[in-house]
Amino acid sequence: NAGVMQNPRHLVRRRGQEARLRCSPMKGHSHVYWYRQLPEEGLKFMVYLQKENIIDESGMPKERFSAEFPKEGPSILRIQQVVRGDSAAYFCASSHFRTSGSYEQYFGPGTRLTVT
Amino acid sequence: ELKVEQNPLFLSMQEGKNYTIYCNYSTTSDRLYWYRQDPGKSLESLFVLLSNGAVKQEGRLMASLDTKARLSTLHITAAVHDLSATYFCAVDGISSNTDKLIFGTGTRLQVFP
Repeated sequence: NAGVMQNPRHLVRRRGQEARLRCSPMKGHSHVYWYRQLPEEGLKFMVYLQKENIIDESGMPKERFSAEFPKEGPSILRIQQVVRGDSAAYFCASSHFRTSGSYEQYFGPGTRLTVT
Repeated sequence: ELKVEQNPLFLSMQEGKNYTIYCNYSTTSDRLYWYRQDPGKSLESLFVLLSNGAVKQEGRLMASLDTKARLSTLHITAAVHDLSATYFCAVDGISSNTDKLIFGTGTRLQVFP
């Protein structure tokens, strides 16, 4: 059973460009979370999605950031007009249904975004 | 606003010694997690603590949870170099709508000979 997959693993963008980060959850998982980790800091929650729905986006910056989890395909975190402050590691996690009693989130390897 | 604090932030310890990392959180939570992160890597799940008084052990690491005190501890016994990493605690269960994790600041552990 493959784990959570993220790509690309490393992404370099110039200021003003767009960054697209992809996350494929573990097989059978329908909940996806995105977290951001700035250098030397802990992870900060960004957004929680289920298929075709954004459940909680309280951690997302109001501008330039968006996320989706379509019926088919991976979840996408999109950052428009990137700035140097967006440089960070972006982690995706997935989990099963809450009602199944399984709460644990499984983390992907992360995408390290560098804005030059 | 929920806050999760860890201490110490940095820990340098000699092989063979024991030490405890503390994780305090500010609001009632149903579940607490401990993760390990090596430099440039993702998070590795160590423990999931689901109830007051829960204690789990794996090798040289033991985690406990006191929900009344809003405190979890990660105890290291007879440290070895391979335990050098950053350790994070995280809590969730704050909201009925989301299981988002709130992470602590992390404890960077370095074990030297």
